[in-house]
Amino acid sequence: SQKIEQNSEALNIQEGKTATLTCNYTNYSPAYLQWYRQDPGRGPVFLLLIRENEKEKRKERLKVTFDTTLKQSLFHITASQPADSATYLCALDLFTGGGNKLTFGTGTQLKVEL
Amino acid sequence: DAGVIQSPRHEVTEMGQEVTLRCKPISGHNSLFWYRQTMMRGLELLIYFNNNVPIDDSGMPEDRFSAKMPNASFSTLKIQPSEPRDSAVYFCASTTLTGVNTIYFGEGSWLTVV
Repeated sequence: SQKIEQNSEALNIQEGKTATLTCNYTNYSPAYLQWYRQDPGRGPVFLLLIRENEKEKRKERLKVTFDTTLKQSLFHITASQPADSATYLCALDLFTGGGNKLTFGTGTQLKVEL
Repeated sequence: DAGVIQSPRHEVTEMGQEVTLRCKPISGHNSLFWYRQTMMRGLELLIYFNNNVPIDDSGMPEDRFSAKMPNASFSTLKIQPSEPRDSAVYFCASTTLTGVNTIYFGEGSWLTVV
């Protein structure tokens, strides 16, 4: 079955720096990969989606890359701010024939310090 | 526009009791998911419905868990009897079947079984 790996250790960076989070997966490459943000006590919120035929996707200070050869996605936050502190989850689609369902990684906690 | 609505937000119950979690998906969404989140296992898909029909319940841990979707605007997840290891955050999420599967989560139901 598909396995998704995200760095379980928290990532601490200084305000203004670029945060880079990693998502690795095994087995087959999904049709698309999604990134979500989760704040304490809240449900995950969708941020970005990248398709298998796209190398890079940007949205404001966020950038996602997708390397199907390495089976890896990188999630970048440039000019990071304390408000970016949260847990970030990657999710892969798993087409079942009855519709798509998303499988999530365990997430990486990001802390942006002043 | 109201998001996914879950109730109760918090529940503390004694082992052996029946627990019922409720979900109202976003109006117009025809795919509904139940996830469970714990520190150890992350976000796990329990079951999902398309057009009120259960499609995949392979994530339901045991026969003690059951889910229903009697109509397009309501779903329940029931645990009977509950056990301490069921303590977790249970999320309901919804999306449309057309296009890409970006999921909208509720705020979760925090369950503690003592």
